[in-house]
Formats: sequence, C-alpha cells, structure tokens
Amino acid sequence: IAGITQAPTSQILAAGRRMTLRCTQDMRHNAMYWYRQDLGLGLRLIHYSNTAGTTGKGEVPDGYSVSRANTDDFPLTLASAVPSQTSVYFCASSETGTSGEETQYFGPGTRLLVL
Amino acid sequence: GQNIDQPTEMTATEGAIVQINCTYQTSGFNGLFWYQQHAGEAPTFLSYNVLDGLEEKGRFSSFLSRSKGYSYLLLKELQMKDSASYLCAASDSNYQLIWGAGTKLIIKP
Repeated sequence: IAGITQAPTSQILAAGRRMTLRCTQDMRHNAMYWYRQDLGLGLRLIHYSNTAGTTGKGEVPDGYSVSRANTDDFPLTLASAVPSQTSVYFCASSETGTSGEETQYFGPGTRLLVL
Repeated sequence: GQNIDQPTEMTATEGAIVQINCTYQTSGFNGLFWYQQHAGEAPTFLSYNVLDGLEEKGRFSSFLSRSKGYSYLLLKELQMKDSASYLCAASDSNYQLIWGAGTKLIIKP
C-alpha cells in the first residue's frame, strides 16, 4: 500500500509556464487537500475536496486550480507560474473531511522552484 | 482571526524531557493535533486532543486546555531521532486544520 504519491518530486519551472502537480491516494479517502509550506510559515491550505466532483477554496487559492474527477486523484494546476509560488507542496487525505478527529495523511511533497 | 503560536526553535539534551507549547485562536474548535516533520519529509500524525487533559502515548504526551486555548507536547527520554519540527494544528468549525509554523527541536548529545 503506497498511501499517497505525488509527482514530480521536484521541478524547476520558468515563470509564466503552466504546471500540474499530481496526487494519487489508494486509501479510498473521500477528502483530499493541497497545502503549501514556506519557511517560517505554517502549512497553508490551497484547495480541498470532500468528495469526488466537489472542490473548495482554502486560505491561499489564487493562482491555483484543482479538479476531482474520481476518488483517487486530486491534481493541482498552476495556470501561469510566478516566483512567489516557489514552495513545497503537500497533498494530504482524510476519511471524510467532516469530522474534527480525522487524521490527515500526507504525501512526500513536491519541491517547486519558479524562476 | 485564526492563529496558532508556538516557539520557533528549542534545544534539549539526549535523555532529557522537553515541553513544546502551543496557543491557538480559531473560529470554532474541533480538536488539536500534533504532527512530527523530519527535515525534507512529510508531516506524520502524533496525537489528537479534543477534551481537556493529558493523553499519554509512550514517550510522547499531549495536553489540552480548551478554556485557555493552550496545548503542549511533552517528549520524554529524548533520542537523537526526535530531532525534527513539531507542528501544532487546530481543527476549526469547518473541520479545516489551522497550522502553526512549527517548532524545530534540536537534540544535543
């Protein structure tokens, strides 16, 4: 059982380019999340999805979009990358997203550098 | 607004005890999590508290006071492998996690 996988592991991207970060989970969790982690700041929620076919905006959604066509996959797209999007991106999942006690499980992260 | 505060960095000695504090302010409250994150790796779950009091799990314990908006993580018998960042996160009224910036714990031999 892999849990959550993310691809690519790392990427250097020219500003203005489009990029999709991939996330797949095999735990059949309904809820999935995208966070960015920057030095000195806590994890910040970009977008989330509590079930296939629905998505919601988190704290820092601007410049990012997501889709949830099925339970397992939750890709994050940067339509036109800017240097401020340089960060480590973590995908996470939990069983339902509608309970306070749910543990979130994290993928290994994607390290993105936008030049 | 919503806010989580925890110290940026702490240093402790191998074999000793260390307490990492966290204060939180959220719109609604559905529990407090502690996660461990080794450098270059993903966060992993350590503990969850929703009721006041102390939860003990091996060398790690977590305490919550809802009236004070306060939690701490207690690590006993410190080992070198405990060198990591410890993240405090509160679940808000929408069951979203609000994260602190993390406390980097340095263990010295």
